Amino acid sequence: NAGVTQTPKFQVLKTGQSMTLQCAQDMNHEYMSWYRQDPGMGLRLIHYSVGAGITDQGEVPNGYNVSRSTTEDFPLRLLSAAPSQTSVYFCASSYSLSNTEAFFGQGTRLTVV
Amino acid sequence: KNEVEQSPQNLTAQEGEFITINCSYSVGISALHWLQQHPGGGIVSLFMLSSGKKKHGRLIATINIQEKHSSLHITASHPRDSAVYICAVRSRHGGSNYKLTFGKGTLLTVNP
Repeated sequence: NAGVTQTPKFQVLKTGQSMTLQCAQDMNHEYMSWYRQDPGMGLRLIHYSVGAGITDQGEVPNGYNVSRSTTEDFPLRLLSAAPSQTSVYFCASSYSLSNTEAFFGQGTRLTVV
Repeated sequence: KNEVEQSPQNLTAQEGEFITINCSYSVGISALHWLQQHPGGGIVSLFMLSSGKKKHGRLIATINIQEKHSSLHITASHPRDSAVYICAVRSRHGGSNYKLTFGKGTLLTVNP
C-alpha cells in the first residue's frame, strides 16, 4: 500500500513548455485533488475530482487541466508553463466527501524559468 | 481576511517545553485537520476532529466548535518535532463539504 504517489519530485521547465504531473493512489479513494503551495500562503485548490470521469475547478484553475479516467490516477497538466506557476504542487486523496482523513503525496517542486 | 488564521506564525522552543499552536476559523465547518510538513517534505495528517479532543502520543488536538477555535499541543517537545504545522478546515460550500481551506502554517523550531 503506497498511499499517494506523485511524480516527478522536482522539475524545471522553460516558459511555454507543457508537462504533466502524475498522481496515483492505491486506496480506492473517490475524492482526489490538486493544490499548490506558495510562500506566505496556505495551500490553494487547483482542481478536484469526486470520482472517475468527474472533475471540477477549485480556486486557482487557470493554466491547468485535469482528467480522471480511472479511480487511481489524477494527472495535472500544465498547458503552457509560466513563471507564475513556479510552486510546490501536492496531490491529495480521501475516501469520500464526508469527514475522512486526507492523504497527501510527497509534493512536486516545479520551477518555470 | 483569511478564513483560517493560525498563531503564532513562528515558534521557537527548547527541548522539553510544552507547545501550543492555535487555529481560528470563520466559516461553518464539518471537520478540522491538523497537518505536519517537515522542511522539503510531504504533508502528513496528524488529526481530523469535529468535536472535543484527540490524543496521539505526545500530540493533543482540541476543538471548540462554538468559539470556532482549535489548538494543537505538543508535550515534552523534541527537535524532531521541528516542522510546519498546518490547520485546515473542511467547509460546507454549496451544500457539499468537499473544500479544504488551509491556514498559512506555523513554523516550529525545537532546539536541543
